[in-house]
Amino acid sequence: DGGITQSPKYLFRKEGQNVTLSCEQNLNHDAMYWYRQDPGQGLRLIYYSQIVNDFQKGDIAEGYSVSREKKESFPLTVTSAQKNPTAFYLCASSAYREQPQHFGDGTRLSIL
Amino acid sequence: AQRVTQPEKLLSVFKGAPVELKCNYSYSGSPELFWYVQYSRQRLQLLLRHISRESIKGFTADLNKGETSFHLKKPFAQEEDSAMYYCANTGGSYIPTFGRGTSLIVHP
Repeated sequence: DGGITQSPKYLFRKEGQNVTLSCEQNLNHDAMYWYRQDPGQGLRLIYYSQIVNDFQKGDIAEGYSVSREKKESFPLTVTSAQKNPTAFYLCASSAYREQPQHFGDGTRLSIL
Repeated sequence: AQRVTQPEKLLSVFKGAPVELKCNYSYSGSPELFWYVQYSRQRLQLLLRHISRESIKGFTADLNKGETSFHLKKPFAQEEDSAMYYCANTGGSYIPTFGRGTSLIVHP
């Protein structure tokens, strides 16, 4: 069954801790994205990657980091520098330019 | 910078009533517009895109370049249409710009 898998579904972070959210796709898509979804603010782009070993900052990249070592995987690390990390995080992919995006189920991150 | 505006945070209608979810975009080039839908406890998914010019679940959306709009319409709303709807513009890049979303509630 093709698609995007995000894990974990729920994640808790302690003060000063870095946490990593996983995103894996088996759609053979080149492009992958990370969004943050807050109530009333829609989807805000954190990072995106158009190809392996390349990624670009989105609108709200501060306090986050990513890697793209494999086409299938695009993990997001929420660092301790991100002062307001509590949110719902969505990963997406698309085949290529101007194609629709496919989304994962999301990860809800909360602070302990 | 590109913008996608969905002016209504919440739209509440009764079953059988027509519904129109508004979307306006700002982009000087050729837009690539999409509507995505997120039903309760389901993942965000594509509803329709402007180049397809098709009707999905009774919804249609027409691109109006003069008004820079891509409103989503359905003549007779159903309870199962209740969901969060997002308009997005890819606009010739890999980077979609999303609106803030409109929550549609269809009352019985």
